[in-house]
Amino acid sequence: IAGITQAPTSQILAAGRRMTLRCTQDMRHNAMYWYRQDLGLGLRLIHYSNTAGTTGKGEVPDGYSVSRANTDDFPLTLASAVPSQTSVYFCASSVQAGVYNEQFFGPGTRLTVL
Amino acid sequence: DAKTTQPPSMDCAEGRAANLPCNHSTISGNEYVYWYRQIHSQGPQYIIHGLKNNETNEMASLIITEDRKSSTLILPHATLRDTAVYYCIVRRGGQNFVFGPGTRLSVLP
Repeated sequence: IAGITQAPTSQILAAGRRMTLRCTQDMRHNAMYWYRQDLGLGLRLIHYSNTAGTTGKGEVPDGYSVSRANTDDFPLTLASAVPSQTSVYFCASSVQAGVYNEQFFGPGTRLTVL
Repeated sequence: DAKTTQPPSMDCAEGRAANLPCNHSTISGNEYVYWYRQIHSQGPQYIIHGLKNNETNEMASLIITEDRKSSTLILPHATLRDTAVYYCIVRRGGQNFVFGPGTRLSVLP
């Protein structure tokens, strides 16, 4: 069982380019999440999805979009990357989006926008 | 979510118990206390959570004070591999996790 996988592991991207970060889980979890982590700011929620077909905005959604066409995949797209989006991105999932359910995190994608 | 306060860093000798405190004085009755940790360059890892009773699992113990205004995560026999940033989070159902700066625990040989 792989758990949560993210791709790519790292990426250097020119400003203005479009980029999609991939996230796949094989645990049949209903809820999935995208966070970014920046030095001194901790993890901040970008977008989330409580179940396939639904998405919601987190704390820092601007410049990012997500889709949830099925249970397993939750891609994060940067339509036109900017240097302030340089960060480490973590995808997470949980059984349900409820109080009892812990989140499981992927290994992260390190993105540098030049 | 109620705010949490943790010391920015702590040291612990290898083999000794690591006691990580967390203050959550404004916690409300339906909010749970969660602990996660993040080892360098990896994604956060769930450790334990509780509401008001003390909890124990294979990784750690969680001690919550009777008034629930603070808690302590205990790693009973810390190893070098326990060196990480530890996050204390309080959260109620339907809310998302809010990760603060956490406590950087250094386990020393």
